[in-house]
Amino acid sequence: QVHLVQSGAEVKKPGSSVKVSCKASGGTFNIYGISWVRQAPGQGLEWMGEVIPIFGTTNYAQRFQGRVTINADGSTGTAYMEMRSLRSEDTAVYYCSRFLFAGSAMGGPGPLDYWGQGTLVTVSS
Amino acid sequence: DIQMTQSPSSLSASVGDRVTITCRASQDISDYLAWYQQKPGKVPNLLIYTASILTSGVPSRFSGSGSGTEFTLTISSLQPEDVATYYCQDYNSGPRTFGQGTKVDIK
Repeated sequence: QVHLVQSGAEVKKPGSSVKVSCKASGGTFNIYGISWVRQAPGQGLEWMGEVIPIFGTTNYAQRFQGRVTINADGSTGTAYMEMRSLRSEDTAVYYCSRFLFAGSAMGGPGPLDYWGQGTLVTVSS
Repeated sequence: DIQMTQSPSSLSASVGDRVTITCRASQDISDYLAWYQQKPGKVPNLLIYTASILTSGVPSRFSGSGSGTEFTLTISSLQPEDVATYYCQDYNSGPRTFGQGTKVDIK
């Protein structure tokens, strides 16, 4: 049984940083990538970026490039998303999710098949 | 970057109605198209991938079709438990863009 368990809710001040973790269990971490998706209150899903842990490679949506860092620790099966220079518009639920990357041992590219429970990040002064 | 455009943005239909949602990609994405269902207050759930393959456990009233730039999600007989927002996503490469979502409720 695959589980992605995210760290708990955060309340941050504008201008500060937040780091959200996502621990995977029940699957083979090295054949999957981890994407981060956010959802502002009442809004749609927004893809932020991804990491392929076995290679350490990352890919970001242009609007987050330079302000977000996504990485992973293969030894613990944990991925991380750090966002800097937070502003009120970053208030959202942040999700991690798993996908088969292109060329993985199981084929791919694949969709986001398992999701974490979400982490609410509130940015407020 | 590829843009994904869904229509309509919302719809209201009666129980038993056939419902169709369209997703258009700004460039050819072959069949690397997924549909997700997000019920109110819940985590998104993968419904369909490779444009037309149902995830295990998804009721057969759901179907997907299309390739290239135009895709559809069809619910053949709308049920109360289908009230949700549905998102398409291009998952081929580069930014894995989502459509803006289609909110489905019961009339």
